[in-house]
Amino acid sequence: NAGVTQTPKFQVLKTGQSMTLQCAQDMNHEYMSWYRQDPGMGLRLIHYSVGAGITDQGEVPNGYNVSRSTTEDFPLRLLSAAPSQTSVYFCASSDGNTIYFGEGSWLTVV
Amino acid sequence: ELKVEQNPLFLSMQEGKNYTIYCNYSTTSDRLYWYRQDPGKSLESLFVLLSNGAVKQEGRLMASLDTKARLSTLHITAAVHDLSATYFCAVATGANSKLTFGKGITLSVRP
Repeated sequence: NAGVTQTPKFQVLKTGQSMTLQCAQDMNHEYMSWYRQDPGMGLRLIHYSVGAGITDQGEVPNGYNVSRSTTEDFPLRLLSAAPSQTSVYFCASSDGNTIYFGEGSWLTVV
Repeated sequence: ELKVEQNPLFLSMQEGKNYTIYCNYSTTSDRLYWYRQDPGKSLESLFVLLSNGAVKQEGRLMASLDTKARLSTLHITAAVHDLSATYFCAVATGANSKLTFGKGITLSVRP
């Protein structure tokens, strides 16, 4: 059972570099979202999608882009990485009741 | 703006005793989630509470939801070391994928 798969698990970036965090789910869920988790805080919503071709901003969208070309995939792009984007990133998908989280991606920007 | 509050941020529990932790939220919602997170790990779903008065139990944990008071409680019966973790509540608004999280409560069970 794959569930929600995130890659990479760990990444170190230099300031100004760009990268894409990948997220894929095999449960045919319409809802997918990206969160970031910083020390001492709960998760905060970055972007979300209610279906292929539909995305919207969450609480902390600045510096991130998303797209949803298929139901399965919801990549998160960092356009020009900044140290403030050092965080743990979680992708989630939902069947309308239960929300399933990926294993997380640990990102460090130096 | 929806706010979700969990207090305290850290709770030291004695093995064998009962405890209750609380989750308050500021605007109307009828879907509340409880998650457990171990250090360096992802979130493990504990409970999904979908309506006023909902009560769910799993092992030593029991969660309830009072939508009128905008309050959820997580009751721990006879704490054991394995329950040491951080517990988050999260409230759903609008589309189900949009969750607002509390800051979490770190529970530590001591002998």
